Amino acid sequence: DTAVSQTPKYLVTQMGNDKSIKCEQNLGHDTMYWYKQDSKKFLKIMFSYNNKELIINETVPNRFSPKSPDKAHLNLHINSLELGDSAVYFCASSQPGQGIYEQYFGPGTRLTVT
Amino acid sequence: GNSVTQMEGPVTLSEEAFLTINCTYTATGYPSLFWYVQYPGEGLQLLLKATKADDKGSNKGFEATYRKETTSFHLEKGSVQVSDSAVYFCALKGWGGQAGTALIFGKGTTLSVSS
Repeated sequence: DTAVSQTPKYLVTQMGNDKSIKCEQNLGHDTMYWYKQDSKKFLKIMFSYNNKELIINETVPNRFSPKSPDKAHLNLHINSLELGDSAVYFCASSQPGQGIYEQYFGPGTRLTVT
Repeated sequence: GNSVTQMEGPVTLSEEAFLTINCTYTATGYPSLFWYVQYPGEGLQLLLKATKADDKGSNKGFEATYRKETTSFHLEKGSVQVSDSAVYFCALKGWGGQAGTALIFGKGTTLSVSS
């Protein structure tokens, strides 16, 4: 069974469109994240949620809105897509508490805006 | 703030060569340190981890030792294989962070191993 899954794997769309990326984890974790990987492979946190509560909201345009319907899901909705939004978006999850808090990553969604 | 610095790549090696990828960090307290690997077209996989000074993480022949005195967590492997070709990321999680604290990544080092 896939631990952290994302859909779609590839997303090609035009500027100005609105799109969503879905993420689900079956690890029973309380915390989920969205990271963005740019064309130079640099990874940066965008958002994190713990038990459906927003914890981290980095300097990300308001066009990006995460939604967590339950603690197993964290979706990312993007309005008015721009060329600069082209990147690979990774979802991750972890279990807080005593321990190392290692994060488990999904396979990524490659977004291409034309 | 916390940060991670990795050696610039790409690193190109022949099969069975010795690998070192340098990683240094800046952080307060006692961060947890990680190496993640990203194979072509795939997501990130945790390779190894360490949570306190002098801890050695190891997996699949890779090793890294948490050195607080030099604030380093260098990745090593004695004999690389073609299948090790990937991008390697050093990452840090700040000490004492609340639930939801994110990883801070280095810029990644691309390793290419030829036969």
